[in-house]
Amino acid sequence: QSALTQPASVSGSPGQSITFSCTGTSSDVGNYFLVSWYQQLPGKAPKLLIYEVNKRPSGVSDRFSASKSGSTASLTISGLQAEDEADYYCCSYAGDNILLFGGGTRLTVL
Amino acid sequence: QVQLVESGGGVVQPGRSLRLACAVSGFTFKNYGMHWVRQAPGKGLEWVAVTWFNGKNNYYADSVKGRFTISRDNAKNTLFLQMDSLRAEDTAVYYCARDGQYSSSWIEDWGQGTLVTVSS
Repeated sequence: QSALTQPASVSGSPGQSITFSCTGTSSDVGNYFLVSWYQQLPGKAPKLLIYEVNKRPSGVSDRFSASKSGSTASLTISGLQAEDEADYYCCSYAGDNILLFGGGTRLTVL
Repeated sequence: QVQLVESGGGVVQPGRSLRLACAVSGFTFKNYGMHWVRQAPGKGLEWVAVTWFNGKNNYYADSVKGRFTISRDNAKNTLFLQMDSLRAEDTAVYYCARDGQYSSSWIEDWGQGTLVTVSS
């Protein structure tokens, strides 16, 4: 049960688009269409942004989009805003009812 | 609206036990899988355990298998986590969370968390 791999930090300027990567294996990301993404604002509980690779729950801005290619999943934020500054976590079903999280990426809005 | 309210956290000595509870409202509890996810101070999220909608199928992370037990009371809309043989590395905020489906798929909703500190 090794964690998914995410870069520790990324940064961008307001208005830019930014993409987060999440690398797994053929046993998790590469084998299931059950990748999800979460946003955690400082001091808050995580919030679901994306489920089943690229689906947005109601109420989540369409500035958030996601995809998967092989064993790597990606989350893109377009039109970056100051309020997007947070930690972002990917998660994948890994079989046997196990969920695996990535280590998280801290987004800094310059 | 969906509410998940954890309780039972606190300071406990290594080797001792603690039981967390999560009271839920705003959805039909018996229809959904439920998870516990933890976050050590300054660290990332770690999935801990899941119980299916019926409480009969329970699964654990290797790091807690044999020490933690997840359970639920569908009549009382409450989720539990019994934590035995606690270690310092179990220190974390523990989140109660609702699955998007009946088993284990993604996490739809999160509680606010309860802090467990294992220290002598």
